[in-house]
Amino acid sequence: SQQGEEDPQALSIQEGENATMNCSYKTSINNLQWYRQNSGRGLVHLILIRSNEREKHSGRLRVTLDTSKKSSSLLITASRAADTASYFCATENNALAIFGAGTRLFVKA
Amino acid sequence: SQTIHQWPATLVQPVGSPLSLECTVEGTSNPNLYWYRQAAGRGLQLLFYSVGIGQISSEVPQNLSASRPQDRQFILSSKKLLLSDSGFYLCAWRKSGLNYGYTFGSGTRLTVV
Repeated sequence: SQQGEEDPQALSIQEGENATMNCSYKTSINNLQWYRQNSGRGLVHLILIRSNEREKHSGRLRVTLDTSKKSSSLLITASRAADTASYFCATENNALAIFGAGTRLFVKA
Repeated sequence: SQTIHQWPATLVQPVGSPLSLECTVEGTSNPNLYWYRQAAGRGLQLLFYSVGIGQISSEVPQNLSASRPQDRQFILSSKKLLLSDSGFYLCAWRKSGLNYGYTFGSGTRLTVV
């Protein structure tokens, strides 16, 4: 069953703009992870945020976690055409990660 | 450094034929290993996971089975493929314990005809 649900399902922006994707979940978690998938490829781990953390940064990525609202957001700043991909959140509890259906991001050059 | 190998990249198989997909991990020991399936435009469905040699847990009852004959080898099999087995299969590993990310293989595109 799906735990995390990403919103929006698809997002189209211009290069240089910021992209924000959201993830909501239903049960308690140990951590939440974000992944990127280019078309036809495997997933690439971007960032992991633990349940006791509220915000993490990695380069142009900023992830927030609100456990009271059971939600997380991924912000990509100053987007580039190469950021075009699908982005998935995964919630982990009891050492198993459950992935959402993803947000498809298209960055126009 | 750790690497994960998954093959083949693409596979077209007739209905009723057997299946064997292999995944190996290098550069680590006693990894947790996972098989996921992804339908077109969808998220990942966890099929099997293993925390040790010979230890397999199934998340979804179906036409598939998994085996872990060696510490860093994970095999996904079927005796008779169904049309509904078509999809994108992904192998992944991560360190045992909590709060580690997953490393995925490059995937196998399986089309059952």
